[in-house]
Amino acid sequence: AQTVTQSQPEMSVQEAETVTLSCTYDTSESDYYLFWYKQPPSRQMILVIRQEAYKQQNATENRFSVNFQKAAKSFSLKISDSQLGDAAMYFCAYRGFGVGSGTYKYIFGTGTRLKVLA
Amino acid sequence: SAVISQKPSRDICQRGTSLTIQCQVDSQVTMMFWYRQQPGQSLTLIATANQGSEATYESGFVIDKFPISRPNLTFSTLTVSNMSPEDSSIYLCSAPIMGDITDTQYFGPGTRLTVL
Repeated sequence: AQTVTQSQPEMSVQEAETVTLSCTYDTSESDYYLFWYKQPPSRQMILVIRQEAYKQQNATENRFSVNFQKAAKSFSLKISDSQLGDAAMYFCAYRGFGVGSGTYKYIFGTGTRLKVLA
Repeated sequence: SAVISQKPSRDICQRGTSLTIQCQVDSQVTMMFWYRQQPGQSLTLIATANQGSEATYESGFVIDKFPISRPNLTFSTLTVSNMSPEDSSIYLCSAPIMGDITDTQYFGPGTRLTVL
């Protein structure tokens, strides 16, 4: 069974600095997707970035980028120029394949709470 | 992306009662997912709801406790039945958008349930 591990329960970063959140996963599948979601206190889960496993190039979205190491099964999120609005819980997720055609289940890590210090 | 709404946003209920949570998507989707997020925890998948078929429940979740309806391609409900304080959680629905080959899931704002 697939697992997703986030080993950092909490991280802090100074405003305008860079922070990296780690995520490792375990799977026997060769093709899959990985995601980072952000959950601010409002509870809304917001997609930050996604990575297709078959792509070697690391995904980037403005200030957010990933370091995807497929062989090491590592998928870290780098936030550059951190802003106060980046403060949230960040969840790493793996998209596996459920039972039955067309069902795709997500497996979430336990989350990392990011604090941004002014 | 997609706009997903949920009703109610929060509720406080007495033990032994039931609450039905509604999830509305602004476009047609084939699959909808229901998650539970206990305080300070990650998301746990309750079930997958496909239109026109029975929901598929994950281990530890049963239809009698969490009946799900999926009457059309834009709407689903989750009922939390015979509630106990252990059911106090945030319940979220999500859906991947048709035509998105990555099947990225978009989430509703969640329903915060407190059971007394």
